[in-house]
Amino acid sequence: GNSVTQMEGPVTLSEEAFLTINCTYTATGYPSLFWYVQYPGEGLQLLLKATKADDKGSNKGFEATYRKETTSFHLEKGSVQVSDSAVYFCALSTTSGGYQKVTFGTGTKLQVIP
Amino acid sequence: DTAVSQTPKYLVTQMGNDKSIKCEQNLGHDTMYWYKQDSKKFLKIMFSYNNKELIINETVPNRFSPKSPDKAHLNLHINSLELGDSAVYFCASSQSQARRWVTFGSGTRLTVV
Repeated sequence: GNSVTQMEGPVTLSEEAFLTINCTYTATGYPSLFWYVQYPGEGLQLLLKATKADDKGSNKGFEATYRKETTSFHLEKGSVQVSDSAVYFCALSTTSGGYQKVTFGTGTKLQVIP
Repeated sequence: DTAVSQTPKYLVTQMGNDKSIKCEQNLGHDTMYWYKQDSKKFLKIMFSYNNKELIINETVPNRFSPKSPDKAHLNLHINSLELGDSAVYFCASSQSQARRWVTFGSGTRLTVV
């Protein structure tokens, strides 16, 4: 079956530090990959996506590259801000029997301190 | 306009009661979901409906019963609430054929006392 593994948190960084949150996956076929962000008290929001190998998704200074050879989709940001404090979820989507199947990782909490 | 809206946002109720959470999406999506998020932020899928047809029914107690009157609505009814049902419940939707991302509602925080 499909699975997503992401690094356990919490991750605590100082403002302007470099961020990496690791994500690896196993899936049948060719999944689409996503990062979602959940701010306190809110639902999950799509942060970025990549639909095929070597695609780079980017948004709000965050980036992730679809690496088929290492089955990874690590999230990076060059300089984090306090407002980036949230929980980040890696996810993949495949189609099976005509239906979409979405698998989420366990989430990584990021805390950015001034 | 809210894309996926669910009500109520907060629900506090006593053990043994029956409650419902309503969800509506105006995105024209054909697939809707219910997820449960526990206190550690772990997200677990409960149900998935495609065009009103149940396609995913994870190991969820029979006390939980989804109802999809049309493809824009997916409600969740919970009977005989237990303390362990306390969590945040998220409704979500997506367009299945395009393998697009899932759009989430803002959640319903259920507290059973």
